[in-house]
Amino acid sequence: GAVVSQHPSWVICKSGTSVKIECRSLDFQATTMFWYRQFPKQSLMLMATSNEGSKATYEQGVEKDKFLINHASLTLSTLTVTSAHPEDSSFYICSAGQDTAVRTQYFGPGTRLLVL
Amino acid sequence: DAKTTQPPSMDCAEGRAANLPCNHSTISGNEYVYWYRQIHSQGPQYIIHGLKNNETNEMASLIITEDRKSSTLILPHATLRDTAVYYCIVRETTGNQFYFGTGTSLTVIP
Repeated sequence: GAVVSQHPSWVICKSGTSVKIECRSLDFQATTMFWYRQFPKQSLMLMATSNEGSKATYEQGVEKDKFLINHASLTLSTLTVTSAHPEDSSFYICSAGQDTAVRTQYFGPGTRLLVL
Repeated sequence: DAKTTQPPSMDCAEGRAANLPCNHSTISGNEYVYWYRQIHSQGPQYIIHGLKNNETNEMASLIITEDRKSSTLILPHATLRDTAVYYCIVRETTGNQFYFGTGTSLTVIP
């Protein structure tokens, strides 16, 4: 149980285009999902908290108009990188937690984005 | 949330126990200790969590000191597949966000 998937696993795009990444909780419902970014040889950096049915909460320094988050259902959150540039190239990872008292987070396999 | 301090890297011989320390001296009473690991180019994998009692599951054991200011993750018989970056995170029971530190890069040596 507690499986989180992401799609796509790899994406290469031209500078200026937008890229959508999906995060799904496969066997549980998650009112809250999280999006992280990881640059090479660095730790995961929390970008935003995705709330089902309401606006996402962004961490300081993360541009909400650049990274659009939609959490339309209890099992799906999407991250859209708008007008992507080479500096947006990174490993994007989502997580979701079961709505229990402990709230352990389960992570997706990640999406590697390369912007040319 | 409390910060954690971990050694940047460790080596362990295959088949031996790997003991990974974590310092969380500012932990508060309602914060859990979680351990995750990240194998290269994959998403983090949940290992174990605890509040104040020692915990054990099929992957590892978690030893939390009585004052809760530090903990140790124990992999009883390390294999080459345990080579990964291990993250120790503390978070309130009512909180949502996980903030990752730099972790410990564990290398299991044949």
